[in-house]
Amino acid sequence: SSELTQDPSVSVAFGQTVKITCQGDSLRAYYASWYQQKPGQAPILVIFGKNNRPSGIPDRFSGSTSGDTASLTIAGAQAEDEADYYCSSRDYNGNHLGVFGGGTKLTVL
Amino acid sequence: QVQLQESGPGLVKPSETLSLTCSVSGDSVNSDNFYWSWIRQTPEKGLEWIAYVYKSGSTRYNPSLKSRVTISMDTSNNQFSLSLSSVTAADTAVYYCARDYFDSSGLTWFDPWGQGTLVTVSS
Repeated sequence: SSELTQDPSVSVAFGQTVKITCQGDSLRAYYASWYQQKPGQAPILVIFGKNNRPSGIPDRFSGSTSGDTASLTIAGAQAEDEADYYCSSRDYNGNHLGVFGGGTKLTVL
Repeated sequence: QVQLQESGPGLVKPSETLSLTCSVSGDSVNSDNFYWSWIRQTPEKGLEWIAYVYKSGSTRYNPSLKSRVTISMDTSNNQFSLSLSSVTAADTAVYYCARDYFDSSGLTWFDPWGQGTLVTVSS
C-alpha cells in the first residue's frame, strides 16, 4: 500500500515535547518529508531525509524513522507551532508517485 | 530564492477543462536535479499529489486522475502547466505547484510551494 496514516489530532502543553507519527509501507523505501501548514497558507517543508531541517526551521523540530513509521518531534512546543502537519513520501511500487498523509492538527495548550 | 506562482481561472464550469500555469523564478525548470509537481488540497481529502514533469519530458500521474490530467513544461518561459479535463464539483480545491525532489537513496521532498490558487467548479 502507498497510503500514509496520521492521527487526525494531537495536543501538547506549551513548552512540552510532542511526537507526530506517520505510518506506511512506502516509508521502508523512502524517507518521510514533513510539512507545516497554518490557516490560509501554503505548506512549508520542516523536515526531510533522515533528520534534516531547511534553513530557517527551528532546531526544536526533528525527525526519525523506525521501520514503516516516521515521526516528527517538536521539543518545547511554542504557540506558533500550532498548525496542521503533513507527512509525504513516494509510492511503494517504485513509480515515484507522490503520496501524502491525511494530516495531524496540532493544538498547543 | 526560488519562488513559484500559480495562475489561471478561479472559476471553471462543470465538464470543462481546468488549466493552470506555474511560473518559476530563481531556478530553471530545465534543472537536472528537480521535478515539478502539482498538488491540490480539499477539506475532505487533504493534500493530493496530482502529477510531476521532468525536463526530459518524463511525466507521472496520480492513477486516480490519470485519465483526465496532462502536465507539461514550457522551458522558454520557465513554466509548467496543468490541464484537468471533465471537471466536476469534486475538483474544487486549492491547487499548488511545487518543486519536487527524489533520488535513489530514498530522499524526497517538495520545496518550495507556490502560494496556491483556489479553483471552484460551478456553473
